[in-house]
Amino acid sequence: DAKTTQPTSMDCAEGRAANLPCNHSTISGNEYVYWYRQIHSQGPQYIIHGLKNNETNEMASLIITEDRKSSTLILPHATLRDTAVYYCISSLSGGYNKLIFGAGTRLAVHP
Amino acid sequence: SQTIHQWPATLVQPVGSPLSLECTVEGTSNPNLYWYRQAAGRGLQLLFYSVGIGQISSEVPQNLSASRPQDRQFILSSKKLLLSDSGFYLCAWSAIPWASGQETQYFGPGTRLLVL
Repeated sequence: DAKTTQPTSMDCAEGRAANLPCNHSTISGNEYVYWYRQIHSQGPQYIIHGLKNNETNEMASLIITEDRKSSTLILPHATLRDTAVYYCISSLSGGYNKLIFGAGTRLAVHP
Repeated sequence: SQTIHQWPATLVQPVGSPLSLECTVEGTSNPNLYWYRQAAGRGLQLLFYSVGIGQISSEVPQNLSASRPQDRQFILSSKKLLLSDSGFYLCAWSAIPWASGQETQYFGPGTRLLVL
């Protein structure tokens, strides 16, 4: 599985968009990009995933560059409850899916 | 809808004692099941995964074992706990959706284990 790199921490003002970057320059053509987040003392929560096209759901948007070497998770209107560690993971499709979690980005949303 | 349960939520055990953590999934059939461990301040490490009853694969050597006695039940065990077994244990399930063939894992609430 491709390795991903993320900033260690980020800040965001409440109500503003939070843009979390992720580099995955060695990603292969059949590897998906997944985003999870982990609020303190809870299990990771699935947010979104994508392969080539941009994706949007009720939680966030995922923008993947055309060369697929990087992506950005966008929380359009961050709230205090979005404070968490955000993990960007690349993983092969189909069958058993091994997720390799790195250190993630610690996002702090402040009033 | 699918739900995943883990218990106990927290556990304090002495070194050398046995361990049994349980994970159950509702609302789905034949899920893939996973056990992860998260040491304090660290990322998640995959310990075991299972694609069916009685089928267990281990990712890292350790003094832990896993079993899947029923389709939606996954158990993590140890005969003798070590101090290094302390951590946050997470169970996850996944199912390949018919449409895309892409698998997404969903995590349980976790069990916090402290070995003293």
